[in-house]
Amino acid sequence: GENVEQHPSTLSVQEGDSAVIKCTYSDSASNYFPWYKQELGKRPQLIIDIRSNVGEKKDQRIAVTLNKTAKHFSLHITETQPEDSAVYFCAASSNTGKLIFGQGTTLQVKP
Amino acid sequence: DAGVIQSPRHEVTEMGQEVTLRCKPISGHDYLFWYRQTMMRGLELLIYFNNNVPIDDSGMPEDRFSAKMPNASFSTLKIQPSEPRDSAVYFCASSFDSLNQPQHFGDGTRLSIL
Repeated sequence: GENVEQHPSTLSVQEGDSAVIKCTYSDSASNYFPWYKQELGKRPQLIIDIRSNVGEKKDQRIAVTLNKTAKHFSLHITETQPEDSAVYFCAASSNTGKLIFGQGTTLQVKP
Repeated sequence: DAGVIQSPRHEVTEMGQEVTLRCKPISGHDYLFWYRQTMMRGLELLIYFNNNVPIDDSGMPEDRFSAKMPNASFSTLKIQPSEPRDSAVYFCASSFDSLNQPQHFGDGTRLSIL
């Protein structure tokens, strides 16, 4: 069945360093890959997404890359700040409309 | 836009009681999703609707769970009878078009079954 694996489960970086979170998916029909940020006690919020016809997308300090051949995609956060600390979820969707979520990565940015 | 609105925000009840969670999607959105989030299992899709019609309920854990969408602006998720293992945060989300469109989440209902 459809599956999304996310690594690492926890990530600790120093403020100003970069953070990278990686996901792999199983359904080759997946064509939409959003990333959500969830702060403690809050709802997941979309931070960036990429579609299968694009290999890379950037929005200020956040970028996402997609390798459809290898079926993996990654989130890159540069110049991390303490307010980037949260749980990050990747997800993959197919034309059925379902989003399959990864297990989440807890990012801690140390001041 | 008010976003996806869920109620109640918190619910504490004793096992065996009926629990009803409510959701109002963003106006104009065609799809509505119900998720459950726990530490152990992460974010799980329970059921989703397209134009008020249930499309996939394969994630509904058992017959104690049911969901309805009587109109485009309202959906309910019901648990009857509730059990302690149902304790979780339940999120509702909606999207304009499921194909390559983001899902917008409500603030969730934190459910505790004693």
